[in-house]
Amino acid sequence: SQQGEEDPQALSIQEGENATMNCSYKTSINNLQWYRQNSGRGLVHLILIRSNEREKHSGRLRVTLDTSKKSSSLLITASRAADTASYFCAAYSGGGADGLTFGKGTHLIIQP
Amino acid sequence: SQTIHQWPATLVQPVGSPLSLECTVEGTSNPNLYWYRQAAGRGLQLLFYSVGIGQISSEVPQNLSASRPQDRQFILSSKKLLLSDSGFYLCAWKRVREQFFGPGTRLTVL
Repeated sequence: SQQGEEDPQALSIQEGENATMNCSYKTSINNLQWYRQNSGRGLVHLILIRSNEREKHSGRLRVTLDTSKKSSSLLITASRAADTASYFCAAYSGGGADGLTFGKGTHLIIQP
Repeated sequence: SQTIHQWPATLVQPVGSPLSLECTVEGTSNPNLYWYRQAAGRGLQLLFYSVGIGQISSEVPQNLSASRPQDRQFILSSKKLLLSDSGFYLCAWKRVREQFFGPGTRLTVL
């Protein structure tokens, strides 16, 4: 079953603007991760936020986590053309499975 | 440093033909390894994971199988491909909670 569900599915903004993507999940998690995928490439880990954290920063990235609402957001500030990519939230699905469960992703386009 | 390789990068195969995709990891020992598939415009779906040589766990029933003949080698196979097997196949290894992905194999079944 799908753990994360990103919103919006696609987002197009001007370079320099901030981009916000949201993720909702279904079951309890220990941590939530965000990954980026450039077109036709593998995924790159961006940031991990633990269930006891509410906010975390890494460079131009800010991630929030609201466990009561089972939601997370990824904010990219001062966007650049190189930020154009698909962004996925992911969490370990628990039970016997050891792999990550991903949402469908948000495709972000930064217009120069 | 650790590196993960996948090959081939792209593959076009007819329906009913066999498949073998290979993934190798360098710079780490006894990694947890994973195969994911990404259909067009979708997120990733976990197919198999392995915690050691010869140990394979399957997450979804399908036309595919996986094997781990060596510590840092993970192979995805099929005896007879279906059209629905088309997709982008990604191998990954895990360090603590973070996963590191290979460059992927784009498989088109015609």
